[in-house]
Amino acid sequence: AQSVSQHNHHVILSEAASLELGCNYSYGGTVNLFWYVQYPGQHLQLLLKYFSGDPLVKGIKGFEAEFIKSKFSFNLRKPSVQWSDTAEYFCAVNTYSGAGSYQLTFGKGTKLSVIP
Amino acid sequence: DVKVTQSSRYLVKRTGEKVFLECVQDMDHENMFWYRQDPGLGLRLIYFSYDVKMKEKGDIPEGYSVSREKKERFSLILESASTNQTSMYLCASRASGSRADTQYFGPGTRLTVL
Repeated sequence: AQSVSQHNHHVILSEAASLELGCNYSYGGTVNLFWYVQYPGQHLQLLLKYFSGDPLVKGIKGFEAEFIKSKFSFNLRKPSVQWSDTAEYFCAVNTYSGAGSYQLTFGKGTKLSVIP
Repeated sequence: DVKVTQSSRYLVKRTGEKVFLECVQDMDHENMFWYRQDPGLGLRLIYFSYDVKMKEKGDIPEGYSVSREKKERFSLILESASTNQTSMYLCASRASGSRADTQYFGPGTRLTVL
């Protein structure tokens, strides 16, 4: 079965610091990778996704992620975080369900706290 | 904008009660999903449906059932609620079977079983 590992449970940064959140997945075949974000009190929303092509993917609010196939990784980055980036971040990978559809397998999430 | 709505934001039930959680999406999506979200465990898939009246078990289906009688509505049923089912329940929908499609989430229902 697919699995997704997020290495950091809780990350605390000061504003303007750079961010990198780690994500590794277990599947060796073709993958689609996603980062979702959940701001306090809000629903999960898509931050960015990798489907094919350029391994460097840009998302909303200045986030980007790099797909490195050889390392089975899809790390999320932002050069300078803001207090409003305080949220929980989830990495996910598509898994073929065998019923003609795909389902997402999520990591356990990383809480980011940004201190003003 | 895609909208996924869930019938309640907060729900308190007693052990042994039958509980219905409702989810409605307004974008004619074929696929719908139910997850539970627990601190430190992330999101775990309970059930999903890729068409009306079709359902597939996810990773943790025990103690749950689902119903999809209409394309826009996907219900999660707890036949006899237990305290270990206290959790945040998230519904999601996605258009087709394309592996690149985005999955859209509802606001969640926080269920407490006493």
